[in-house]
Amino acid sequence: LAKTTQPISMDSYEGQEVNITCSHNNIATNDYITWYQQFPSQGPRFIIQGYKTKVTNEVASLFIPADRKSSTLSLPRVSLSDTAVYYCLVGAQGGKLIFGQGTELSVKP
Amino acid sequence: KAGVTQTPRYLIKTRGQQVTLSCSPISGHRSVSWYQQTPGQGLQFLFEYFSETQRNKGNFPGRFSGRQFSNSRSEMNVSTLELGDSALYLCASSPGRESDIQYFGAGTRLSVL
Repeated sequence: LAKTTQPISMDSYEGQEVNITCSHNNIATNDYITWYQQFPSQGPRFIIQGYKTKVTNEVASLFIPADRKSSTLSLPRVSLSDTAVYYCLVGAQGGKLIFGQGTELSVKP
Repeated sequence: KAGVTQTPRYLIKTRGQQVTLSCSPISGHRSVSWYQQTPGQGLQFLFEYFSETQRNKGNFPGRFSGRQFSNSRSEMNVSTLELGDSALYLCASSPGRESDIQYFGAGTRLSVL
C-alpha cells in the first residue's frame, strides 16, 4: 500500500476554495485514490475517489496528474461546517485501509 | 439503506476486564473492517472479515480478536483490558472488492479506568 504525505494543517476562510495536495510517489498501477472526511468523534466519511485526470461530484473535485504521483482535493466555497480532518488514501488490500495523519482543515468566519 | 450501526456507543470498563463491541454492516456488504483511533496513534487497522473469514490483520496483540457471523454482522473482543486500550473503535463495511469504498459507523468510545 502506497505511503501518502499531506500537510498536517490548513487554514481558510468561509467562501474560499481550498486545495489539499497529497503526495503518493509509490502508487501502484491498480491503485485508486480516495479521500475521506472526519469530524471529531465520528467515523470517516467518503468524499471522492478517482484513478486519473479529474473527478467531480456534488461536494468536491479531485485532480490527478498524468504521472499519478500526487493528487489534489478541491473544496469549492468552504463553510464553517467543512472544518474537519481530511485523509488521502491510496490503494487498499481488501478491506484494509492505511490512514496517514490527515490534514486538519480549519475554516474561519 | 440503513448505514453501519455500532453498539454500544459508549462503554466504561476497568483494567483486566474484557469487552465485546458489535457492528452491523450495510445490507449486502460482506466485508467488515475494524479500526482503533487514538490521539497519539491516529487511525489504525485492526482486522477485516470477509464472508466469515479473517482476510487481513493489523499489528495488534492477540488480546484483540473478532469474528463475523453468516449475516455479516461482526463483533470484536478485547480481553484483559489495559489503560492504553481507551480509544474510539470504528467499524466499516464494504462489498469487499479492493477499490470499494468503505462506509464507517459512528464508533464505540471505550474508556478503560
